[in-house]
Amino acid sequence: DTEVTQTPKHLVMGMTNKKSLKCEQHMGHRAMYWYKQSAKKPLELMFVYSLEERVENNSVPSRFSPECPNSSHLFLHLHTLQPEDSALYLCASSQDRQPTSTGELFFGEGSRLTVL
Amino acid sequence: TQLLEQSPQFLSIQEGENLTVYCNSSSVFSSLQWYRQEPGEGPVLLVTVVTGGEVKKLKRLTFQFGDARKDSSLHITAAQPGDTGLYLCAGLIYNQGGKLIFGQGTELSVKP
Repeated sequence: DTEVTQTPKHLVMGMTNKKSLKCEQHMGHRAMYWYKQSAKKPLELMFVYSLEERVENNSVPSRFSPECPNSSHLFLHLHTLQPEDSALYLCASSQDRQPTSTGELFFGEGSRLTVL
Repeated sequence: TQLLEQSPQFLSIQEGENLTVYCNSSSVFSSLQWYRQEPGEGPVLLVTVVTGGEVKKLKRLTFQFGDARKDSSLHITAAQPGDTGLYLCAGLIYNQGGKLIFGQGTELSVKP
């Protein structure tokens, strides 16, 4: 199994809603990531988890709350988002947090979020 | 702030043409990766280059890492509609805890 699966694929929410994005991988990878992808911008790293411990938070607003209950699952809880948060949210995993010289990331298909 | 500049941002060509995508930075990278992202999908790793001056070939795709490990290029020969997608380069800065810096991507459209 070499897949990272994300649900839902599409999500439309109002600014006062609470929703969650889910990601899972069963490749035995020890690191998982949330990225934000907006048009014409580089991928923005949001959070990094290594063995269920958050090791990086790149100044992400508190309306985004990650959760990693085990090394196979990662969630992104969303609350009182803004329209500018509309984007594709990509989950990724890698063998280790401190990457080898290859540092390959395995990405999910993403969750397309629209905030009205 | 480390930046990885990709050019061109958009490229629309006819089937059979050749093209080159560039990835440039002022930072030195431990390695550099190229990903392709098709519509509705996540990025998929194409290749990783590690050594300065390294050239790797993947069928009609040729990847080169600059001698100083600050830049890279992707050359596609005889492009096909199946090559359509977003091409992303990503540089790894190993001595900063393995930080991966992405370029903004090159959107390639190959028309039949």
